[in-house]
Amino acid sequence: GEDVEQSLFLSVREGDSSVINCTYTDSSSTYLYWYKQEPGAGLQLLTYIFSNMDMKQDQRLTVLLNKKDKHLSLRIADTQTGDSAIYFCAEFRWGTDKLIFGTGTRLQVFP
Amino acid sequence: GAGVSQTPSNKVTEKGKYVELRCDPISGHTALYWYRQSLGQGPEFLIYFQGTGAADDSGLPNDRFFAVRPEGSVSTLKIQRTERGDSAVYLCASSLDGSNYGYTFGSGTRLTVV
Repeated sequence: GEDVEQSLFLSVREGDSSVINCTYTDSSSTYLYWYKQEPGAGLQLLTYIFSNMDMKQDQRLTVLLNKKDKHLSLRIADTQTGDSAIYFCAEFRWGTDKLIFGTGTRLQVFP
Repeated sequence: GAGVSQTPSNKVTEKGKYVELRCDPISGHTALYWYRQSLGQGPEFLIYFQGTGAADDSGLPNDRFFAVRPEGSVSTLKIQRTERGDSAVYLCASSLDGSNYGYTFGSGTRLTVV
């Protein structure tokens, strides 16, 4: 995960929007993903975006991709306490058939 | 099965012992992946199977680590002469054909070497 960087921690109030950022380094990455990990659980795929897109919206989730700056963000609207978890961005590197994960951002939602 | 199943969910072993971790992928998924997640880190790639063969084992840290998938379904990750630094959560994932639409992960096996 050393090539995919994320801020470690984010704290938001319930009902506010959360924005989790990620910077990746491989311009050949074709797909970029957001996964959610709750304590003691595996990784749950939240959403993904193809590299030729700059935005994707899925209910409360909005993914923005700035390919020029290799910057990916996940916006969660109306954040709920159930959204508290660790969020990982991951890139699928063309020709390698594997996902490379970031270090994860711990999102804490307080009432 | 409905999801990716990993057993055991927790394993405590003594330094120097041999361990096997099992992964049962989603039925019909040809691609299977092993990742290792250390505390406070993101998952790190270990090995990828396409069918029965290891398509990429570049992430295995050393020759104490080995994985098999003899019938193209269940996979076993084997660790010889365990060290305390091997303590981590070992995650398995599968995908239908190795395409890039995201994998389905199991809940992991937490390995603790004492």
